Amino acid sequence: DAGVTQSPTHLIKTRGQQVTLRCSPKSGHDTVSWYQQALGQGPQFIFQYYEEEERQRGNFPDRFSGHQFPNYSSELNVNALLLGDSALYLCASRRDRESTDTQYFGPGTRLTVL
Amino acid sequence: LAKTTQPISMDSYEGQEVNITCSHNNIATNDYITWYQQFPSQGPRFIIQGYKTKVTNEVASLFIPADRKSSTLSLPRVSLSDTAVYYCLVGPWVTNAGNMLTFGGGTRLMVKP
Repeated sequence: DAGVTQSPTHLIKTRGQQVTLRCSPKSGHDTVSWYQQALGQGPQFIFQYYEEEERQRGNFPDRFSGHQFPNYSSELNVNALLLGDSALYLCASRRDRESTDTQYFGPGTRLTVL
Repeated sequence: LAKTTQPISMDSYEGQEVNITCSHNNIATNDYITWYQQFPSQGPRFIIQGYKTKVTNEVASLFIPADRKSSTLSLPRVSLSDTAVYYCLVGPWVTNAGNMLTFGGGTRLMVKP
């Protein structure tokens, strides 16, 4: 049983560009959350998707948007990239309404903005 | 959400027991305490969760005093592979929607040979 998978593993972009990151949840999971982790810091919650809708959002600007597909996979889009967007982007999945100990994280996508 | 405070870093040697303490003075009645482990360039991994007293699994033990204002993660006989960042999180077990996890800075554990 594959866990949470993310693609690509690494990405280099320049300021002002747009980027799309992808996540496939663990089998049986229907809820996907995205986190941003800057170097040396803990992950910060961006938003969560359930039933193809954004259900909860952290303190991130509208440049960060997402989507969830009928198969529960998800995309994170970031527009007008800034140098400060350089980070490890983590996807986490779980079954809705299950406890926090059932949340599984993917390996992340390392985004570098030059 | 209750804020957590934990040491920035700790050093240990192989075979020793490591105890990492987390302070959460404003923990709410329905909050649980959860610890995650993160290796470099990997996502966090759930270690253990508890509400009060003591919880033990195959990886670690979690000690929670009666006032629940702190908790201690105990790793028995650490090895080099336990070198990682350990995060203490406090929040509801299940929420009506979300279950957003709030991470602090974590504790960087370095295990030396």
